[in-house]
Amino acid sequence: GAGVSQSPSNKVTEKGKDVELRCDPISGHTALYWYRQSLGQGLEFLIYFQGNSAPDKSGLPSDRFSAERTGGSVSTLTIQRTQQEDSAVYLCASSLASSYYNSPLHFGNGTRLTVT
Amino acid sequence: AQSVAQPEDQVNVAEGNPLTVKCTYSVSGNPYLFWYVQYPNRGLQFLLKYITGDNLVKGSYGFEAEFNKSQTSFHLKKPSALVSDSALYFCAVRDMTTDSWGKFQFGAGTQVVVTP
Repeated sequence: GAGVSQSPSNKVTEKGKDVELRCDPISGHTALYWYRQSLGQGLEFLIYFQGNSAPDKSGLPSDRFSAERTGGSVSTLTIQRTQQEDSAVYLCASSLASSYYNSPLHFGNGTRLTVT
Repeated sequence: AQSVAQPEDQVNVAEGNPLTVKCTYSVSGNPYLFWYVQYPNRGLQFLLKYITGDNLVKGSYGFEAEFNKSQTSFHLKKPSALVSDSALYFCAVRDMTTDSWGKFQFGAGTQVVVTP
């Protein structure tokens, strides 16, 4: 079946512009995560949605970052007034509900964001 | 909070030799442990998981991992490495404590370089 889909795959934007990154999780997956990865580095947790619960926003680096998940499916990560330090690969992942604790995460291929 | 640690930034091994990538964990309660691999310019791919049962877990691409409760370790192993195994490897724990129900915590990653 279809995996996690992210769009666009690449985004180049000018400093100060707003960007929206989209994630379409696997059908039936109620848990959705956003991570950020700088070149060849580890994963930085951003935000976690689980069903209808309030999202865990503890990883968002500043108030310029926000995310929403409409209808429990597609998620959009928005970065306002982009800065050069926002340049990174943004990864989305989904899994079955957290009650299925043995369910692994399934990752998309990411969106590479470059802020010039 | 639950966490994992990967003590090695990079592991170098010759093709055909055994490969080990180390991971230690710190959890309260039962550990739910996972390994992921990231090939260049791709998202992370699930390799294997430990939930309960046999301490030796077999996964994709000939990889296996040994769960050791006394040493709080979950090392990834492959008996004979291939050049194509060169990638970034991440250990993860699923945090099932109340405050972070279901959230995945990733290690910093270990770069594996397999030379011909």
